[in-house]
Amino acid sequence: DTGVSQDPRHKITKRGQNVTFRCDPISEHNRLYWYRQTLGQGPEFLTYFQNEAQLEKSRLLSDRFSAERPKGSFSTLEIQRTEQGDSAMYLCASSPTIGPVLSYEQYFGPGTRLTVT
Amino acid sequence: KQEVTQIPAALSVPEGENLVLNCSFTDSAIYNLQWFRQDPGKGLTSLLLIQSSQREQTSGRLNASLDKSSGRSTLYIAASQPGDSATYLCAVSLLGTGGFKTIFGAGTRLFVKA
Repeated sequence: DTGVSQDPRHKITKRGQNVTFRCDPISEHNRLYWYRQTLGQGPEFLTYFQNEAQLEKSRLLSDRFSAERPKGSFSTLEIQRTEQGDSAMYLCASSPTIGPVLSYEQYFGPGTRLTVT
Repeated sequence: KQEVTQIPAALSVPEGENLVLNCSFTDSAIYNLQWFRQDPGKGLTSLLLIQSSQREQTSGRLNASLDKSSGRSTLYIAASQPGDSATYLCAVSLLGTGGFKTIFGAGTRLFVKA
């Protein structure tokens, strides 16, 4: 088990461009979460998936943001028409739901740092 | 609306000192509380998870307690080491009719001096 992985680790883009990030959760983890973190703040919840179903979306997830998890394994987060305010660390986490105790303990990936110039 | 506050925002201690980090939350109807460590520019590492029915968890030099009724959790670090220098984040998860979400505090930046 190699943990949660995210790709790319860093992305620099110009304002107005579209970007897509990928997250590979820990194998057999059914739940997958996306967060955004800006400097000096804790992560802010964006959305989460149970298998391929997107169960909740934060109001932070504007129409320019879309997340998918088509086969219930990896997930992608796309930002369209990026703005400078989108510059942040985008974190992905996963948690297991199979087992005697549904702990929802979250395991985080290394994050993708987005810089919009 | 659930809010999570961590005090202090920053802390500097000499090596070997025992220390306590505080986390408070406004709504006691939490599902669990998790403490994380974050090194600069990196992702989060889970330290301890406390279910809503539990009062504390221990792992090595770390001990986390939970008092739901007062909306408080503490992370106790014994015999601090320079390698403990990092930001420590507290997060509460809610599970109810409103769905599932996790809310983080802003963290406590810890610096342990050699």
